[in-house]
Amino acid sequence: SQTIHQWPATLVQPVGSPLSLECTVEGTSNPNLYWYRQAAGRGLQLLFYSIGIDQISSEVPQNLSASRPQDRQFILSSKKLLLSDSGFYLCAWSVKGTSSGGEKYNEQFFGPGTRLTVL
Amino acid sequence: AQSVAQPEDQVNVAEGNPLTVKCTYSVSGNPYLFWYVQYPNRGLQFLLKYITGDNLVKGSYGFEAEFNKSQTSFHLKKPSALVSDSALYFCAVRDRTGRRALTFGSGTRLQVQP
Repeated sequence: SQTIHQWPATLVQPVGSPLSLECTVEGTSNPNLYWYRQAAGRGLQLLFYSIGIDQISSEVPQNLSASRPQDRQFILSSKKLLLSDSGFYLCAWSVKGTSSGGEKYNEQFFGPGTRLTVL
Repeated sequence: AQSVAQPEDQVNVAEGNPLTVKCTYSVSGNPYLFWYVQYPNRGLQFLLKYITGDNLVKGSYGFEAEFNKSQTSFHLKKPSALVSDSALYFCAVRDRTGRRALTFGSGTRLQVQP
């Protein structure tokens, strides 16, 4: 079966410090990967998604970046954290479709999340 | 652009009563629709999805959802609520031609009272 891991579970960082959050998926290959941020326990904002190694799309301009150095590893980074970067960060994966466009009906599976507090 | 609206911030229901969590959507063409549940400080768990076919979709934990194309709605339902159903529920949509990622609603908090 497939599992998705995120670490750390919680993180408290000072403003201006760097950030690295890691997400790994097991039990599948060549997944689509996603980073979301959930602020104030409510809406989810898509930050990045990736269809393959070193293939990453950014959804919104921001202080963050993402990398996918291996097929099942997705990293969210920042060089200098801002107060507004605080939130609950969720990684997700989905299966690619077997035909053009088929992946659109595949659900996403979410990791347990990382709660980031920037002070 | 695709969008999802969950008009209720919170829904309160007594245990044993039926529950409905509302969701309306806007997409180009026919949609793919999803419901997720989130327990405190946890990731989202997939409940069910509508792709095509029967408008009534059954999912995990006794939940079901009804797709209504004319009303552009996909309301989540359960015949008899449990206290353990108390959580945050998200509706999500993806259109059939566009971006791979899901667009989520703002979430509805369901509170089931004993």
